[in-house]
Amino acid sequence: GENVEQHPSTLSVQEGDSAVIKCTYSDSASNYFPWYKQELGKRPQLIIDIRSNVGEKKDQRIAVTLNKTAKHFSLHITETQPEDSAVYFCAARRYSSASKIIFGSGTRLSIRP
Amino acid sequence: DTGVSQDPRHKITKRGQNVTFRCDPISEHNRLYWYRQTLGQGPEFLTYFQNEAQLEKSRLLSDRFSAERPKGSFSTLEIQRTEQGDSAMYLCASSPRLAGGVSGDTQYFGPGTRLTVL
Repeated sequence: GENVEQHPSTLSVQEGDSAVIKCTYSDSASNYFPWYKQELGKRPQLIIDIRSNVGEKKDQRIAVTLNKTAKHFSLHITETQPEDSAVYFCAARRYSSASKIIFGSGTRLSIRP
Repeated sequence: DTGVSQDPRHKITKRGQNVTFRCDPISEHNRLYWYRQTLGQGPEFLTYFQNEAQLEKSRLLSDRFSAERPKGSFSTLEIQRTEQGDSAMYLCASSPRLAGGVSGDTQYFGPGTRLTVL
């Protein structure tokens, strides 16, 4: 069945350091991988996404990498800031058929001052 | 605010009661999705609509759950005979129609309705 596993569940890093969150997916038909950030009590917000025809994508301090062979994808946040503290969800979706997004269980990122 | 809106934001009900939630998607978004999120977990897919047609339902959506999108704009999610296990955040999301009738990938989420069943 479709499944997305996410690690770690909690992550604490010093302000200014980098944070890495890793995910694996089971459905080989997945070809769209969004990352959402959810602050306490707020809605999930898309921060970056990647499609299967691309191995890496970067947007300022955020980058995602995708290894389709291994079914792994990762989120990298550099030069972390206090406002990066939130829960981050990776997700996977088939493009051609079902539109549902399968989410990972989330990583609670805390930035230590 | 031109984003996805949901009403009510919070709902407390007693076990056995029926509840109905409303979602207003971003204007002209043709796809609308319902997810459920419990504490410490990612959102779980419940169902989605393309215009007024309900195209997929999750096995999580028991017979007590029903969703509608009668005019292809707003949607309602009704839970009948609520149970304590129904307590969760119910999230709605929408995605746009792009050129050529293709739906966009990005799903924009609403603020959610937090349901507490006593």
